[in-house]
Amino acid sequence: GESVGLHLPTLSVQEGDNSIINCAYSNSASDYFIWYKQESGKGPQFIIDIRSNMDKRQGQRVTVLLNKTVKHLSLQIAATQPGDSAVYFCAETLSGGNNRLAFGKGNQVVVIP
Amino acid sequence: NAGVMQNPRHLVRRRGQEARLRCSPMKGHSHVYWYRQLPEEGLKFMVYLQKENIIDESGMPKERFSAEFPKEGPSILRIQQVVRGDSAAYFCASSPWAVQETQYFGPGTRLLVL
Repeated sequence: GESVGLHLPTLSVQEGDNSIINCAYSNSASDYFIWYKQESGKGPQFIIDIRSNMDKRQGQRVTVLLNKTVKHLSLQIAATQPGDSAVYFCAETLSGGNNRLAFGKGNQVVVIP
Repeated sequence: NAGVMQNPRHLVRRRGQEARLRCSPMKGHSHVYWYRQLPEEGLKFMVYLQKENIIDESGMPKERFSAEFPKEGPSILRIQQVVRGDSAAYFCASSPWAVQETQYFGPGTRLLVL
């Protein structure tokens, strides 16, 4: 779904700890998923993606997990740093759907030094 | 390799004026997407264009909004007779190919309608 509220869900995490951000996507036919990070006043920045034929993918300090059964996506950030403070969005798209992205509700991550 | 460029970064218009937002995709990218973001919300798809073609405009309001991506030059999102509800951040993204390719976003244009 997409956020319609005035306040974003917020995750406060101590520097050095791991963060987990969750996302429920809406279209069971979606087959490509992306996590974006958005800092205040900036455009979304690509973090990691995953295709529906996978259930896990790892990048540098980040891991994305995909559970198609319950239409759930998660982003794990290892050893969270102050620079990780941002709003994180998941996005889904459907092959054959002109690649338009449908963004989920954003999650605010605040890293406490 | 420069990323997606958007200008202006900030635009102030009075009600009834026109707003023109420009987007230059990444080098080698021929697919452009426009999204709109209201405060504390996710981005919402507006339109998808290739050079000289509008491929999908299902997210565009039926009136006052138009988009183009000419053979030469940047993509333009045009809003005529702006209203206060048009105030938002408008982001452009580009990708090299359409199918399941990562979209890279520009810094956005923040439109404020007085």
